[in-house]
Amino acid sequence: QSALTQPASVSGSPGQSITISCTGTTSDVGGYNYVSWYQQHPGKAPTLIIFDVNNWPSGLSNRFSGSKSGDTASLTISGLQAEDEADYFCSSYSDSGTLLFGGGTHLTVL
Amino acid sequence: QVQLQESGPGLVKPSQTLSLTCTVSGDSFVSGAYYWNWIRQPAGKGLEWIGLIYLSGSTNYNPSLKSRVSISVDTSRSQFSLTLDSLTAADTAVYYCARSNTWSHAFDIWGQGTMVSVSS
Repeated sequence: QSALTQPASVSGSPGQSITISCTGTTSDVGGYNYVSWYQQHPGKAPTLIIFDVNNWPSGLSNRFSGSKSGDTASLTISGLQAEDEADYFCSSYSDSGTLLFGGGTHLTVL
Repeated sequence: QVQLQESGPGLVKPSQTLSLTCTVSGDSFVSGAYYWNWIRQPAGKGLEWIGLIYLSGSTNYNPSLKSRVSISVDTSRSQFSLTLDSLTAADTAVYYCARSNTWSHAFDIWGQGTMVSVSS
């Protein structure tokens, strides 16, 4: 059971959009629409920002959006703001009812 | 509002057993709509799902940790607990408890985390 694959880092300027990928297999990302994304600021617990591939928790900013194609899910953040600088993790349900995380992506807002 | 709070020792010796407890405040604990999870994160690294428990007591564990892990639940105290044995330095991490829902498996509420160091 391997972790999902994410780029180690991405960057963008304020106002721009960035996309973070999360690649798995047909046993996890490709097989289920149970992909979620989390934002984590330094020293804090992660917070849920996207669930079921492309749904927002209530009250959360719609600058965050998700999608999936085959075995790869993606998180897009539009209108980048300074407070978006954080680590982002994807997660997927997988065969046998286990959960997998990606290795995490650090977003730098230039 | 549901809150989760981890408790347990901050320092454990190698080869010993770690025991952590997560206390859940709010009425969602007795709802059948949620799973109760343990997740850990070594310093500067990614998240690792350890396992989950349902109110019925049924469990599911990360295959890589399954031989060393046990998760139990005490509904009378609104708590669930993690036991991890045969500790090594590689088990040093921040340990989080988190709630996930049964329809999307997303971790929607997290505890603040507790740092556990394995060292002699």
